[in-house]
Amino acid sequence: AQSVSQHNHHVILSEAASLELGCNYSYGGTVNLFWYVQYPGQHLQLLLKYFSGDPLVKGIKGFEAEFIKSKFSFNLRKPSVQWSDTADYFCAVNAGNDMRFGAGTRLTVKP
Amino acid sequence: NAGVTQTPKFRVLKTGQSMTLLCAQDMNHEYMYWYRQDPGMGLRLIHYSVGEGTTAKGEVPDGYNVSRLKKQNFLLGLESAAPSQTSVYFCASFFGGQGASYGYTFGSGTRLTVV
Repeated sequence: AQSVSQHNHHVILSEAASLELGCNYSYGGTVNLFWYVQYPGQHLQLLLKYFSGDPLVKGIKGFEAEFIKSKFSFNLRKPSVQWSDTADYFCAVNAGNDMRFGAGTRLTVKP
Repeated sequence: NAGVTQTPKFRVLKTGQSMTLLCAQDMNHEYMYWYRQDPGMGLRLIHYSVGEGTTAKGEVPDGYNVSRLKKQNFLLGLESAAPSQTSVYFCASFFGGQGASYGYTFGSGTRLTVV
């Protein structure tokens, strides 16, 4: 079965610092990839998605992610984080009929 | 459009009680999913459905049953609740067509506590 690994459980940054959250998956076939954000007490919201074309995907709120097929990775980046980016971030992989999530990374941005 | 609606939003059960969580979507999506979210474990797939009248097991199906009698509704049942089922439950529907709408829509969650 496919699985998704997020390497960082908790990341603490100061405002204006750059962000990169790692995501690796294990599945050899065609995949669709997603990053979701969950603000405290809220449900998941889509940040960005990749299903074909340019492997560098731009999402909402200044986030982007790069799909590197050879590395089975889909890392999330943001050049300059803000305090309002404090949230939990989930990578997800869809292959076939279901979608699997990573365990999530909690991002804390200090003002 | 309401999107994906989950009811109830909160529930406290005693061990051994049963209950049904309802997920309703008004987007005519074929695929629907039930996940549970636990601290440090992300979202884990319980059951899913690829169309009316069909269901399939996900990663953690034990202790749960589902039904998809109508396309717009996906029900998750707990026949005999256990404290290990204390969690936040999310429903999602999926659109697999082309374009910007491709992807999943999540409900706002149901927080279930089993005492």
